[in-house]
Amino acid sequence: KAGVTQTPRYLIKTRGQQVTLSCSPISGHRSVSWYQQTPGQGLQFLFEYFSETQRNKGNFPGRFSGRQFSNSRSEMNVSTLELGDSALYLCASSKKAGTYEAFFGQGTRLTVV
Amino acid sequence: SQQGEEDPQALSIQEGENATMNCSYKTSINNLQWYRQNSGRGLVHLILIRSNEREKHSGRLRVTLDTSKKSSSLLITASRAADTASYFCATLGQDNNNDMRFGAGTRLTVKP
Repeated sequence: KAGVTQTPRYLIKTRGQQVTLSCSPISGHRSVSWYQQTPGQGLQFLFEYFSETQRNKGNFPGRFSGRQFSNSRSEMNVSTLELGDSALYLCASSKKAGTYEAFFGQGTRLTVV
Repeated sequence: SQQGEEDPQALSIQEGENATMNCSYKTSINNLQWYRQNSGRGLVHLILIRSNEREKHSGRLRVTLDTSKKSSSLLITASRAADTASYFCATLGQDNNNDMRFGAGTRLTVKP
């Protein structure tokens, strides 16, 4: 059974640009959550999608958005990138809403220059 | 914002020794989970303990939960060099719309 796949693994962008990250959850999992991990702030919850609906959202500005498709794949978008958006972005999938026993992808390392 | 706080921030031990990490949290929870992260990679789920459980075992892992003190501990027995990683506790709260909040983690180094 394939694990959670995140693409791309690494990304370098310039300030002001926008970026889209992709996450394919484990087959049969309907919940996808996104986290931002930085050395200073640790793991911060961004949002969770379940059956194409955003269930919950963390304390991030509106520049951070996401969506989920009918096949449960999810994308997150960050517009008008700032240097502080440089981070490891992790996606987690689980069978149930609320990220019980979540399975994480390897992450996308975003560097904003 | 983070919910859990791990203690210590870093721990260095010799192979074969036991490692104990602690986690404290602030609000009432439905369950608490422990995850491991190898450097710069995704997190791996280790164990989940529900709020009505006090202790749980999985292989060399032992987790305890004290809801009166809002704390949990993770014990790794007979540690191995491969256990070197960061360990995070994550709580699923009763009052935060069911999103999982992570602590800052404990960086464990096991020396061969």
